[in-house]
Amino acid sequence: GAVVSQHPSWVICKSGTSVKIECRSLDFQATTMFWYRQFPKQSLMLMATSNEGSKATYEQGVEKDKFLINHASLTLSTLTVTSAHPEDSSFYICSARTGGYEQYFGPGTRLTVT
Amino acid sequence: DQQVKQNSPSLSVQEGRISILNCDYTNSMFDYFLWYKKYPAEGPTFLISISSIKDKNEDGRFTVFLNKSAKHLSLHIVPSQPGDSAVYFCAASDSGGGADGLTFGKGTHLIIQP
Repeated sequence: GAVVSQHPSWVICKSGTSVKIECRSLDFQATTMFWYRQFPKQSLMLMATSNEGSKATYEQGVEKDKFLINHASLTLSTLTVTSAHPEDSSFYICSARTGGYEQYFGPGTRLTVT
Repeated sequence: DQQVKQNSPSLSVQEGRISILNCDYTNSMFDYFLWYKKYPAEGPTFLISISSIKDKNEDGRFTVFLNKSAKHLSLHIVPSQPGDSAVYFCAASDSGGGADGLTFGKGTHLIIQP
């Protein structure tokens, strides 16, 4: 149980375009979903927290107009990187929580902006 | 300033022996701690957690110890197996009953030598 999927697993896009990443909880309803990013050999950094049906809460330093988060249902959250630039290239990982403290992570999405 | 610190970037242990991974934190508001295992290009997998009201939690080969006064926790794996080779992340939550994301350490790369 507690399986989280992400799509796509990797994506290459041109600078200036937008990319949407989907995060789904497959066998449970997630009250809260989180988006993290990880740079090479670095820790996972929390970007934002989203609750179904409400606006996401962004961490300090994360541009909410650049990283659009939509949590349309209890099983789906999307992250859209708008007007992507090479410095946005990273590993993006989502997680979902059912109500307890444990978060269950998706497999991640490797974004490369050329 | 890093609130969760894993000071050993890597650790090499012989198969069958005990692996001890350490984690220190600075934020006294953290009240829940988790350990995750991560392979390259994959999302973290939840291993074990502990509430701040406990000092030990055990699950099979994995035991987590918490020393609140020292703001220190450790993960013990015994006996260590080759499949345990991965990066281990310590994470902490300042839940306060809310929906905050996790604060991660930088990880320790555990290498199990045959």
